[in-house]
Amino acid sequence: DSGVTQTPKHLITATGQRVTLRCSPRSGDLSVYWYQQSLDQGLQFLIQYYNGEERAKGNILERFSAQQFPDLHSELNLSSLELGDSALYFCASSPSTAVEAFFGQGTRLTVV
Amino acid sequence: SQQGEEDPQALSIQEGENATMNCSYKTSINNLQWYRQNSGRGLVHLILIRSNEREKHSGRLRVTLDTSKKSSSLLITASRAADTASYFCATDTFSFTGGGNKLTFGTGTQLKVEL
Repeated sequence: DSGVTQTPKHLITATGQRVTLRCSPRSGDLSVYWYQQSLDQGLQFLIQYYNGEERAKGNILERFSAQQFPDLHSELNLSSLELGDSALYFCASSPSTAVEAFFGQGTRLTVV
Repeated sequence: SQQGEEDPQALSIQEGENATMNCSYKTSINNLQWYRQNSGRGLVHLILIRSNEREKHSGRLRVTLDTSKKSSSLLITASRAADTASYFCATDTFSFTGGGNKLTFGTGTQLKVEL
């Protein structure tokens, strides 16, 4: 158990809908990362937050947004969902930057 | 986009043999990390090597880093069936736009260790 909690574990929704994925980092970790893993794109870095502020951005679509709250939990919002958004979404946390990251078990999103 | 490319894509060996995986990357890094993923589950951190280090050991794992060639290798010695998993290298790079860091993963090597 990495100490990073992601909810829900599974999510099935229809195209055009909006969903929110939640991540609780390890106690004391200030940095949160979001990743998308699909068969054709591999593990893609989406965004990083550090102590509530966005610090690095990767291949995150405009339909996606994220935030980190004062209690350090983070949410990833996916809107206008398309079939191609079906993937595993991982959250990871670390105490600071440039150190090892601890991954949650992921949320498997299926868009039908 | 992938920062790291792993080679080979898949590797099948017998228990007790050594497994070597290679990773090449494109830009300057803060550090390079190796992770393991069992089918469809979360990634587990194995080892981190900083840009000023050349070699690091952890148990049966040995990692080397050659920043001049922008490459790294992961050696697993005396492999076990339980080592069967996907292995990813990840490069930690500074993000100039926000001051944070990006941890960018490679394409992964699928290792199968047979009894």
